[in-house]
Amino acid sequence: GAGVSQSPSNKVTEKGKDVELRCDPISGHTALYWYRQRLGQGLEFLIYFQGNSAPDKSGLPSDRFSAERTGESVSTLTIQRTQQEDSAVYLCASSTQVSTDTQYFGPGTRLTVL
Amino acid sequence: GIQVEQSPPDLILQEGANSTLRCNFSDSVNNLQWFHQNPWGQLINLFYIPSGTKQNGRLSATTVATERYSLLYISSSQTTDSGVYFCAGISGSARQLTFGSGTQLTVLP
Repeated sequence: GAGVSQSPSNKVTEKGKDVELRCDPISGHTALYWYRQRLGQGLEFLIYFQGNSAPDKSGLPSDRFSAERTGESVSTLTIQRTQQEDSAVYLCASSTQVSTDTQYFGPGTRLTVL
Repeated sequence: GIQVEQSPPDLILQEGANSTLRCNFSDSVNNLQWFHQNPWGQLINLFYIPSGTKQNGRLSATTVATERYSLLYISSSQTTDSGVYFCAGISGSARQLTFGSGTQLTVLP
């Protein structure tokens, strides 16, 4: 596609439920990133995928968070047993394999945990 | 990881005014980007500028890599320029961007 796409755009869930967020990167981009933005704050890094290498999970806040990516395509971020503090906008970005290149962001998924 | 400081945190302008936003980094960066986050939350790429100067219409940016700062200039501001401006950088062997806290810009008609 022309840009990074994410779905759903909005997700409301009850505390304790699991959620899955999807990201479709720009075609040909081998690097994919997930970030989280809490209300009124900057973005925090969650996880990074590069091709078939092991992902960098150093930003995941707890073991309730996990992500998968098949090859160089779609990625899914899963949050298990959601808590109210998980409420945020989850943004996905992609870039070419080189870190010194521009990251392009999707529109985000706004997650609200009641 | 690196620390990113942005100033000012808030800025209110009259339409037509010029402004300068600043971003300081705690370490040298090999990737530096400026973004505009519109009221709908979309992050729009403005500049990729780890060093040097670039211009795009009414916006321009300068990064002085040796002194670890970057400036974003907005000239003849318009109400549509309102939103949050973020700078973000990558240092060393890291792959992810580290973001500043942003500058909230409000342009009044």
